[in-house]
Amino acid sequence: AQSVTQLGSHVSVSEGALVLLRCNYSSSVPPYLFWYVQYPNQGLQLLLKYTTGATLVKGINGFEAEFKKSETSFHLTKPSAHMSDAAEYFCAVSGRHTDKLIFGTGTRLQVFP
Amino acid sequence: EPEVTQTPSHQVTQMGQEVILRCVPISNHLYFYWYRQILGQKVEFLVSFYNNEISEKSEIFDDQFSVERPDGSNFTLKIRSTKLEDSAMYFCASSEDLPSGPYNEQFFGPGTRLTVL
Repeated sequence: AQSVTQLGSHVSVSEGALVLLRCNYSSSVPPYLFWYVQYPNQGLQLLLKYTTGATLVKGINGFEAEFKKSETSFHLTKPSAHMSDAAEYFCAVSGRHTDKLIFGTGTRLQVFP
Repeated sequence: EPEVTQTPSHQVTQMGQEVILRCVPISNHLYFYWYRQILGQKVEFLVSFYNNEISEKSEIFDDQFSVERPDGSNFTLKIRSTKLEDSAMYFCASSEDLPSGPYNEQFFGPGTRLTVL
């Protein structure tokens, strides 16, 4: 079975500060890992994904995440927050024999000026 | 840019009534999905659909639920007799059938908020 845990339902940072959103996963098979972002009144948009290969993956809008198998983590980071980054962020896991996504509960990111 | 659309954006219904949630996937996509998110809870997978049949479904997707692709553009989720606990945001998604690569990105619609009274 696969699952995802996102630590912190709300994260607040100042504009220009480091963004760190935490995600830990559980999977009995090699996982595919994803971060999605949801802006108000919009659908989920893929930020980045890890399937195979390089464990540090870069996504849109300056975000990146590192797959750490030893820590079963896939934390999302951005060096410098922008006001436009305020949104809900979802970590998700899938696998090679299924394309269904299993999501975490989400983290709401607030960015203060 | 192509996008997944969903109608209506908000649906209010009485318990026991049937509802149909509509989705228009991206035109060249062949895989279709429904997910839902009860307020304050996780986004949960309901069902995936390919080649006019269900390819995978969750435990949530019981006999009260059905999906259909009635024509070449729409993908619908029907709930036959709604319960209070069906109140949630329902997301439709679609993906291509790419021959290469381990994963085909799922593109999500903006969701339909279903409120069952």
